[in-house]
Parts: sequence; structure tokens; C-alpha cells
Amino acid sequence: DAGVIQSPRHEVTEMGQEVTLRCKPISGHNSLFWYRQTMMRGLELLIYFNNNVPIDDSGMPEDRFSAKMPNASFSTLKIQPSEPRDSAVYFCASSLGLNSGNTIYFGEGSWLTVV
Amino acid sequence: GENVEQHPSTLSVQEGDSAVIKCTYSDSASNYFPWYKQELGKRPQLIIDIRSNVGEKKDQRIAVTLNKTAKHFSLHITETQPEDSAVYFCAARRTSYGKLTFGQGTILTVHP
Repeated sequence: DAGVIQSPRHEVTEMGQEVTLRCKPISGHNSLFWYRQTMMRGLELLIYFNNNVPIDDSGMPEDRFSAKMPNASFSTLKIQPSEPRDSAVYFCASSLGLNSGNTIYFGEGSWLTVV
Repeated sequence: GENVEQHPSTLSVQEGDSAVIKCTYSDSASNYFPWYKQELGKRPQLIIDIRSNVGEKKDQRIAVTLNKTAKHFSLHITETQPEDSAVYFCAARRTSYGKLTFGQGTILTVHP
């Protein structure tokens, strides 16, 4: 099992540029989560999908952030325009479903630096 | 929404000692409580979890206890080893509501 696959692993971009982060969940998993991790705010849930449908996007910080899941095996998180305060590690995670006991598995993360 | 508080924020122990990390949660409907370990530069990985119908669960040197009445749960690591050094996160979740809310994390350092 390849696990949750994220790309890019590292990205450095200039303020104002568009950033697109990509995620492939574990095959067969119906739920997908985007988390952001910073020293100051810890692990924050940005948005999650179930069966490709966004369920809760209340954690998305601003309109500059958007996420899509066009099919069961692919999701994107886009930041446009990017700002230095967006610098963080963005984790994608997936689980079999939304039942409380379904383990959530994390990808390796995308390390974003906005200069 | 759910709020999870985790203490302490840092914990330093000698190899062989025990380590205890405590968490409290606010949503009485939460019924699943996992613990994740995150090594430097790596992803969080599940190390143990407990459901609300169980008071204690043990896996080798790691154990978790849950007090639903008081809404708190704890991670216990016995006979600590240097490779246990990492950041540990507790979390809480309730049935059919996907959001897993994390505590702030505890930096555990085990000195040889």
C-alpha cells in the first residue's frame, strides 16, 4: 500500500503567486482531509470531503484558499494569491469513512514557504 | 465545536522512566480518542487509540486511559527509550462527524 501521496514535497514561491498542492488518498478510502501545521497554531483542519463532496470547510482561513476533489483518487488545495503567512506544512489525510473509529492516515506533507 | 487541551507542552525524562501526557476534551459526544506520534520532519502516525466504551487499552509499553465522566484521557509510556523522543498529539472525534480535533502537542525528550 503506497499510503497517502502528496506533491510537491517542498515548494518555495514568491508572495502573490498561485500554489497548488496535490493529494492522492489511499485506494478505497472515502474520506479526505486537508490539515495545516504551524508552530503557532498546531494541526488545524482546513476542509474535509466524503465521497468527493466537501462536508466542512469552516477551517479554510480565507477566500484565497480553495479545495477540490474531482474524483475519488485526487484532491487539490489551491492558494491564490499566496502570502508569507501561508508558510506551513500542509498535510493531506484519508480514512475509510467518517465513523469515529476509522483511522486517519496522513501523507508526508507539503512544506510550503512563501517569500 | 470540540476543543482539546493537552498538557504538558514539553516533557523531559531520563531513559527508563515513565512519561504521562494528559488531554481534556469539551464535546461529550466524542467517542474516539487516538494518539499520534510525529518525529521531526515526518508525518503524524497513529500509535494507539481508545473508544468510549473502553476505560483502558495497552500495547506493549504504551497505554491509554479514558475517563468519560471527567472528559479526559491520558497516554502512558513506560520504560522510555531515546527513540520515543517526538511530538505526541492527542485527538478527539465523534461518530459520523469526520472532524478529528487535535491537542496542541507535547514535545517529549528522552535523555540517554
